[in-house]
Amino acid sequence: QKEVEQNSGPLSVPEGAIASLNCTYSDRGSQSFFWYRQYSGKSPELIMSIYSNGDKEDGRFTAQLNKASQYVSLLIRDSQPSDSATYLCAVGGQKLVFGQGTRLTINP
Amino acid sequence: DTEVTQTPKHLVMGMTNKKSLKCEQHMGHRAMYWYKQKAKKPPELMFVYSYEKLSINESVPSRFSPECPNSSLLNLHLHALQPEDSALYLCASSRHQTTGLAQPQHFGDGTRLSIL
Repeated sequence: QKEVEQNSGPLSVPEGAIASLNCTYSDRGSQSFFWYRQYSGKSPELIMSIYSNGDKEDGRFTAQLNKASQYVSLLIRDSQPSDSATYLCAVGGQKLVFGQGTRLTINP
Repeated sequence: DTEVTQTPKHLVMGMTNKKSLKCEQHMGHRAMYWYKQKAKKPPELMFVYSYEKLSINESVPSRFSPECPNSSLLNLHLHALQPEDSALYLCASSRHQTTGLAQPQHFGDGTRLSIL
């Protein structure tokens, strides 16, 4: 059974700081990794995809992948209250396997 | 606004009713998905269609019946549902389904279903 683990939180970060979200996965053969943001009562929104080891940056978001350690993370720089949401890590293959999600709160 | 459109946004139905959820995308994607999501849980895969053919059924009860009339449309027919089926039902699409590098899935806004 493929597993994706996330700390459920809540993770509380002051406004303007860096929020760091972490995810580990069990299937060493996994090749595709995604981060989704989900606001309460809304649907998941894709914010990052990453396929290669290293960092991938998009605006205030940076995804980091380390396949040797089976670890993927998401950094949010200059955190804003509007970043408060649940962040879902998903590992892809024929189908996506989601982690339980980390609830992030940005405190003004 | 999302590029995957789901209707209706809300649905309340009795346990003896028959209803359908609809999903439409015009991104040229050839893989479409149905998920069920309960509060404070991640989406749970139900069905996958690849090139209009059912490729994955995650052992979903037969009271849920999917249909893919064409590459842009996906339906979920509901019949004799139980109160525990109340949830947010999400449709998603991706360029295609693969065992290699997976394409990102894009979700619709969902249908919030309540079973009385």
